Amino acid sequence: GDSVTQMEGPVTLSEEAFLTINCTYTATGYPSLFWYVQYPGEGLQLLLKATKADDKGSNKGFEATYRKETTSFHLEKGSVQVSDSAVYFCARAPSGGSYIPTFGRGTSLIVHP
Amino acid sequence: DTAVSQTPKYLVTQMGNDKSIKCEQNLGHDTMYWYKQDSKKFLKIMFSYNNKELIINETVPNRFSPKSPDKAHLNLHINSLELGDSAVYFCASSERWTSGVPETQYFGPGTRLLVL
Repeated sequence: GDSVTQMEGPVTLSEEAFLTINCTYTATGYPSLFWYVQYPGEGLQLLLKATKADDKGSNKGFEATYRKETTSFHLEKGSVQVSDSAVYFCARAPSGGSYIPTFGRGTSLIVHP
Repeated sequence: DTAVSQTPKYLVTQMGNDKSIKCEQNLGHDTMYWYKQDSKKFLKIMFSYNNKELIINETVPNRFSPKSPDKAHLNLHINSLELGDSAVYFCASSERWTSGVPETQYFGPGTRLLVL
């Protein structure tokens, strides 16, 4: 079935380091792709999204590009801050007649000062 | 002006009890969900309602029963609570796009359930 695979964490970085969190998906068609962020003790919130191939989503210095040729939607940030420490979820909208959105297992990011 | 709210935020109870979690959204969305998040942060969808109609009912014990009195509310009732039910439960909502499928989801703050 359709799935979203993201790299296992935790990812531990020093402040101002470059961040990449890999995400690949399988899907019928070309569903919208999302990154959600979950700060400690809170619910998930949308970080960015892309609705079609080659779209780039961006927000708060984070970026991800919808690559249909590699079925990927990797999250990047040029310079992380301590406040970026959170769990990041890659997700895709339902497709192929399903109503079920699919989430990756989450990647914990820890940024040290 | 909270978009998706849940009550209670914390719930500590004994095995065998029955409990309910309430969810309300003021975004005017058609679709609402319940998710269960385990201690490793894995998110599992449980149910979804669209306009008060159940559209997703994943493999969940029938001790769990969702109820949607109207489009803005989706409650979760759990009978005969078990230790393994301990988790964080998230409510979410989304609007449907013209493509016919739900898109961006808006999550509540979560209900932390601990069964002793």
